[in-house]
Amino acid sequence: KNQVEQSPQSLIILEGKNCTLQCNYTVSPFSNLRWYKQDTGRGPVSLTIMTFSENTKSNGRYTATLDADTKQSSLHITASQLSDSASYICVVSRRTPGTYKYIFGTGTRLKVLA
Amino acid sequence: EAGVAQSPRYKIIEKRQSVAFWCNPISGHATLYWYQQILGQGPKLLIQFQNNGVVDDSQLPKDRFSAERLKGVDSTLKIQPAKLEDSAVYLCASSLAWPGQTNYGYTFGSGTRLTVV
Repeated sequence: KNQVEQSPQSLIILEGKNCTLQCNYTVSPFSNLRWYKQDTGRGPVSLTIMTFSENTKSNGRYTATLDADTKQSSLHITASQLSDSASYICVVSRRTPGTYKYIFGTGTRLKVLA
Repeated sequence: EAGVAQSPRYKIIEKRQSVAFWCNPISGHATLYWYQQILGQGPKLLIQFQNNGVVDDSQLPKDRFSAERLKGVDSTLKIQPAKLEDSAVYLCASSLAWPGQTNYGYTFGSGTRLTVV
């Protein structure tokens, strides 16, 4: 069954600290993996996208890793800011005849406190 | 590059009323998706178009929801009649992906927040 699981469900950290969010998937055939940041009531905004051959990608203070063998990805946030408070969603794309399908994780809710 | 445009931004209606949402995808994006996101949950795919054809509408409650994408560009999603449980954010996304193309450009709009009272 094609699934994407994220952990933890929620996380509270102090401003300036680092944190790592996890994403495990059982999606086949794998096409790519994306991390999105979603503020409450807004649409998801892309942070990173990685294909099978990429194992790390950075976007400012966000660094995503991908281990295609173990089917795991992580999103590391460095020197967190109050504005990082949001939900972070892992989305895995799979190829299907004629198109692509996107499998969503349920997200990790991050709260950064001053 | 302009993003995916959605309107209205917010909508409050009474149950049993009708409502329509509009989406204008990124220019040239062949694939368009409508999602329903209930508070605290991940987005759930309602319908996927490729150009003006439906690829997947298996999770669309067809007794009350309908969607169309005339001319393979803009799309509208309609709910008639609305129920309390339809309160959610309705997201539109578009992408360049179709068979033979590199899979990239999957972008979301800001969403329409619907409250049914």
